[in-house]
Amino acid sequence: GAVVSQHPSWVICKSGTSVKIECRSLDFQATTMFWYRQFPKQSLMLMATSNEGSKATYEQGVEKDKFLINHASLTLSTLTVTSAHPEDSSFYICSARDQSQTQYFGPGTRLLVL
Amino acid sequence: AQSVTQPDIHITVSEGASLELRCNYSYGATPYLFWYVQSPGQGLQLLLKYFSGDTLVQGIKGFEAEFKRSQSSFNLRKPSVHWSDAAEYFCAVARGGADGLTFGKGTHLIIQP
Repeated sequence: GAVVSQHPSWVICKSGTSVKIECRSLDFQATTMFWYRQFPKQSLMLMATSNEGSKATYEQGVEKDKFLINHASLTLSTLTVTSAHPEDSSFYICSARDQSQTQYFGPGTRLLVL
Repeated sequence: AQSVTQPDIHITVSEGASLELRCNYSYGATPYLFWYVQSPGQGLQLLLKYFSGDTLVQGIKGFEAEFKRSQSSFNLRKPSVHWSDAAEYFCAVARGGADGLTFGKGTHLIIQP
């Protein structure tokens, strides 16, 4: 149980385009999902908290107009990187919180912006 | 704001030997504490967690961790490592169950034959 999927697993895009990443909890409902960013050989940094049916809460320094988050259902949250630039290239990881307050992580999405 | 320190960037252990990975946190109250493992090309897997109660927590794959409030530590241990334990290990804390996690920088575990 407690499986979280992400799609796509990797994406390459041109600078200036937008990219949408999906995060799904497959076998449980998650009122809260989280989005993290991981740079090579570094730790994960929390970007935002996604709450079903309400606006996301962004961490300090994360541009909410750049990283659009939608949590339209109890099993799906999406992160859209708008007008992507090379510096947005990174590994994006989502997690979903279950009723035991435990976060289960997706496998991540590697984004490369050319 | 809370913070997490994993003082060891790399640790090398012989297969069959015991293991201890250190984790110290900075937070005013007792946080929610987690250990995750990340293998190459795979997502983070939860090893164990501590919210309250017994300070010695048992996890998956033979791992355990002990919460020591006086030392603000939550060290991960395993009595005998296997080659498959080679991975990146992250300690993480949260203020509460509804909050996102603050991660340490990770410890890269290398297993020698």
